[in-house]
Amino acid sequence: AQSVAQPEDQVNVAEGNPLTVKCTYSVSGNPYLFWYVQYPNRGLQFLLKYITGDNLVKGSYGFEAEFNKSQTSFHLKKPSALVSDSALYFCAVRALYSSASKIIFGSGTRLSIRP
Amino acid sequence: DSGVTQTPKHLITATGQRVTLRCSPRSGDLSVYWYQQSLDQGLQFLIQYYNGEERAKGNILERFSAQQFPDLHSELNLSSLELGDSALYFCASSGRTAPGEQYFGPGTRLTVT
Repeated sequence: AQSVAQPEDQVNVAEGNPLTVKCTYSVSGNPYLFWYVQYPNRGLQFLLKYITGDNLVKGSYGFEAEFNKSQTSFHLKKPSALVSDSALYFCAVRALYSSASKIIFGSGTRLSIRP
Repeated sequence: DSGVTQTPKHLITATGQRVTLRCSPRSGDLSVYWYQQSLDQGLQFLIQYYNGEERAKGNILERFSAQQFPDLHSELNLSSLELGDSALYFCASSGRTAPGEQYFGPGTRLTVT
């Protein structure tokens, strides 16, 4: 069975500091991994994805994520946080080669960037 | 703007009633997904349709049903509404070129009183 865990409900970071939002997953076979962001009163927006290849994936708004197969993790990172990055972040996973497999979303991590 | 539209934006109704939420996917996308987002349950996958056929089912109650029409728009029907059904309902769509990469609509906020 597929599952994804976001162990932190909230992450607080000062503006200008690096940020990390953690995600671990469980899936049969190779994973298809995603990060989405949700701003207040908006739908989720796609940030980035990992399918195969380079373990460091770059996405929108300066975010990147590092795939670590041995640790089954896909942490979201940004070198220098902005106040405008404050939002709810969701990690998601799907089995790569199973078209019938649905995407499972994590519980979300609220990122708060203080000026 | 994701290209996915949802109507209505807000809906207030009473317990026991029935409502229909509507979603139009991005142009060319064949897959439509429905999600429920509530404060205590997070984002819950309800159901997926692909080109008019049900593809995957999640935590969808028997009181809820959905369909996708030939023009690819989808409707989510919620009946015998309960207070606990109050939530944000999102529709998302995805295409064949980037399966799994979903584009979300702005959501319908349902309040059951």
